Amino acid sequence: NAGVMQNPRHLVRRRGQEARLRCSPMKGHSHVYWYRQLPEEGLKFMVYLQKENIIDESGMPKERFSAEFPKEGPSILRIQQVVRGDSAAYFCASSGQPYEQYFGPGTRLTVT
Amino acid sequence: GQQLNQSPQSMFIQEGEDVSMNCTSSSIFNTWLWYKQEPGEGPVLLIALYKAGELTSNGRLTAQFGITRKDSFLNISASIPSDVGIYFCAGSGPIQGAQKLVFGQGTRLTINP
Repeated sequence: NAGVMQNPRHLVRRRGQEARLRCSPMKGHSHVYWYRQLPEEGLKFMVYLQKENIIDESGMPKERFSAEFPKEGPSILRIQQVVRGDSAAYFCASSGQPYEQYFGPGTRLTVT
Repeated sequence: GQQLNQSPQSMFIQEGEDVSMNCTSSSIFNTWLWYKQEPGEGPVLLIALYKAGELTSNGRLTAQFGITRKDSFLNISASIPSDVGIYFCAGSGPIQGAQKLVFGQGTRLTINP
């Protein structure tokens, strides 16, 4: 009974490169969420997706960030032209029932 | 944006002691969730609360959904070393949207054996 899977667990990118973070939800879950966590802080909502639809992207920066959850395959969070301020832990969560969100282990992005 | 105030920020206790932490908000929530996060890992769901006044237990953990819908607390009884970690409250409600969780700043729990 696998949980939420995220990869890679650690990602290092130079400024200006692209970062792609992947998330596979728990089996049977069709709702995916992305959150960002800075050191010593709580998680901040970024985007909520269902298959092939972005439901709420109110927490996403307007530029350089995008997310998708295709019909087949994992959800992808894409950050173009990364800057040092993008360094953070990015967590994906999934839910089947409303409200109970289960989190993956996260991807720690470091921008050098 | 909407914020949750979680306190205390950190706790240093002896093994065997009971622990209490809480979250408050200036606006109402429909759902309260409590998570535990360990270093290098994602948050793990401990308890979910859906109704004002609801009191729910999970082993040595007990959480309550405040009657005003603006607060929640988490108690841990008879703490053990594996309770060490950061505990987060999270809520969702009519203002920010049902599926968007707002997180508190976390309570870091340290236990002296």
